[in-house]
Amino acid sequence: LAKTTQPISMDSYEGQEVNITCSHNNIATNDYITWYQQFPSQGPRFIIQGYKTKVTNEVASLFIPADRKSSTLSLPRVSLSDTAVYYCLVGGLSGGYNKLIFGAGTRLAVHP
Amino acid sequence: DAEITQSPRHKITETGRQVTLACHQTWNHNNMFWYRQDLGHGLRLIHYSYGVQDTNKGEVSDGYSVSRSNTEDLPLTLESAASSQTSVYFCASSSQGLGEQYFGPGTRLTVT
Repeated sequence: LAKTTQPISMDSYEGQEVNITCSHNNIATNDYITWYQQFPSQGPRFIIQGYKTKVTNEVASLFIPADRKSSTLSLPRVSLSDTAVYYCLVGGLSGGYNKLIFGAGTRLAVHP
Repeated sequence: DAEITQSPRHKITETGRQVTLACHQTWNHNNMFWYRQDLGHGLRLIHYSYGVQDTNKGEVSDGYSVSRSNTEDLPLTLESAASSQTSVYFCASSSQGLGEQYFGPGTRLTVT
């Protein structure tokens, strides 16, 4: 199973770019990388998903190097409302959903 | 608007009792999931279903069961509640493959 490792916590200030890196050394060929955001007392919310290189949407970018053993979630110009826990998820269709592994998450605190 | 709901939102029960947590989605998604979330463990997959009459064990399925009699519902049953099952439970659904999962608001279960 592809286990993920993320920093436990990070601090930033409003307006800064935040990069959260996730390590997944045992990622399988069919695995995708997905990031979720979770606020207190709420369920996680999908942010972005990718397989290789770079993916960008309206809220974030995901950078995946050629070896795919890590990935970086980039949040441009964060605001106080981005304070949340961010989860890196690695999993693939082969073998079923029992291969979906959520990491322990990174607690991001954005300060004024 | 389509949504995913969970009930009850909070539940206190005694050790040894049978407990059923409800999950209902109106997205018409084939895939449904149950996770538990504990401090320091992130989210861990309990059971999942690809469609009606299909159920599969996840990472931490011992002591839990699910049934899928229709597309909209995936109830989670704790056959004999134990204190170790005190947790926050999240239900999720997705339309296909490893696409975006939509999470419910969660059920906080306390087993005394």
